[in-house]
Amino acid sequence: GQNIDQPTEMTATEGAIVQINCTYQTSGFNGLFWYQQHAGEAPTFLSYNVLDGLEEKGRFSSFLSRSKGYSYLLLKELQMKDSASYLCALRQAGTALIFGKGTTLSVSS
Amino acid sequence: ETGVTQTPRHLVMGMTNKKSLKCEQHLGHNAMYWYKQSAKKPLELMFVYSLEERVENNSVPSRFSPECPNSSHLFLHLHTLQPEDSALYLCASSQRPGTPAPELFFGEGSRLTVL
Repeated sequence: GQNIDQPTEMTATEGAIVQINCTYQTSGFNGLFWYQQHAGEAPTFLSYNVLDGLEEKGRFSSFLSRSKGYSYLLLKELQMKDSASYLCALRQAGTALIFGKGTTLSVSS
Repeated sequence: ETGVTQTPRHLVMGMTNKKSLKCEQHLGHNAMYWYKQSAKKPLELMFVYSLEERVENNSVPSRFSPECPNSSHLFLHLHTLQPEDSALYLCASSQRPGTPAPELFFGEGSRLTVL
């Protein structure tokens, strides 16, 4: 089985930096994913970590520590359009992803 | 053509109706999925179809029946649903793990309301 925990809600201001944490317990590990989902829209892929360390992609970075069962998504230079839900997801084996409940981020001016 | 297309986008049905949700992917992927998204709950995996596996979440009631006639099309047949089945049903596709792009690509979803 698996368990994925992330904060329910976070708030931040435009231009700031925010870190969204995700902790997990799993019997098998084959990758950790972050998705963004705006209200009423489909989830869209942000990042993927399978090895320990930091993956950077523009304003977004994701970090993974497999030994600690821990990942975070770092968003820099926040913009209003970054207000969305951020979903942490695990791949154990096979192809399917198991998702956490998501963190709703509200960015204010 | 968008990557993953779902129809209908909205569906209202009575508990005695039979309906189907359709998903089509134009990405050349070889795995397709149905997920259920309800308010305040995580995305719940319902079914997976890929070259090597067909996986079902054992908690999915038999009133949901998947069909995957080929690698590009996926259906979810619905019959005698309950009001608690009202949710957003998301289809996704992917390549197999180990490929350069292992992520899932989602469709826009079918919003189902059961009266």
